[in-house]
Amino acid sequence: SQQGEEDPQALSIQEGENATMNCSYKTSINNLQWYRQNSGRGLVHLILIRSNEREKHSGRLRVTLDTSKKSSSLLITASRAADTASYFCATRREYGNKLVFGAGTILRVKS
Amino acid sequence: GAGVSQSPRYKVAKRGQDVALRCDPISGHVSLFWYQQALGQGPEFLTYFQNEAQLDKSGLPSDRFFAERPEGSVSTLKIQRTQQEDSAVYLCASSPWTRTGGGNQPQHFGDGTRLSIL
Repeated sequence: SQQGEEDPQALSIQEGENATMNCSYKTSINNLQWYRQNSGRGLVHLILIRSNEREKHSGRLRVTLDTSKKSSSLLITASRAADTASYFCATRREYGNKLVFGAGTILRVKS
Repeated sequence: GAGVSQSPRYKVAKRGQDVALRCDPISGHVSLFWYQQALGQGPEFLTYFQNEAQLDKSGLPSDRFFAERPEGSVSTLKIQRTQQEDSAVYLCASSPWTRTGGGNQPQHFGDGTRLSIL
């Protein structure tokens, strides 16, 4: 059973546009992470935000975290065709090391 | 390469057969995780090792699933008497452990083994 839910399930945009994906979760967390998965491949870690952080940047990525609403968003600016992939949020609880993943958002960037 | 390596990449087995999936983590990574990913879904946790110790096996769906990491490096996930519902991609991930960071480390994933049970 997955804890998180991503919204939207699928997103199709033009190259150069921004893409925003949202994630909601149910329990208190230690950190929240975003991963990308290309078709037929493993997951690639993008960014980690701790529960005491509200915003984090990495290159064209911006992640926000609102622990009061138990939600996070991932913004990809100036999207490229190579950004086409599935994006998953994953939470790590206060205790324990496993990650609990959402169902993912499928992003398609058209060139 | 220096990444997580999984073998085989594809495995087809008949229902009732036993299968073994292998994971070579990144050298020196203390933590090792197995996940199961159904088509169109996110990965679901199966089990976690710290070195050779299996600290969490709460995600293993039945006693037909067994994982080991005897020397604290390579790990094997074994599924006995396979069923059609076992068809999925099995992902392995590893991460380092640091004194200050503890479990706050990203996980590095292999490309997975796609298991099909006929």
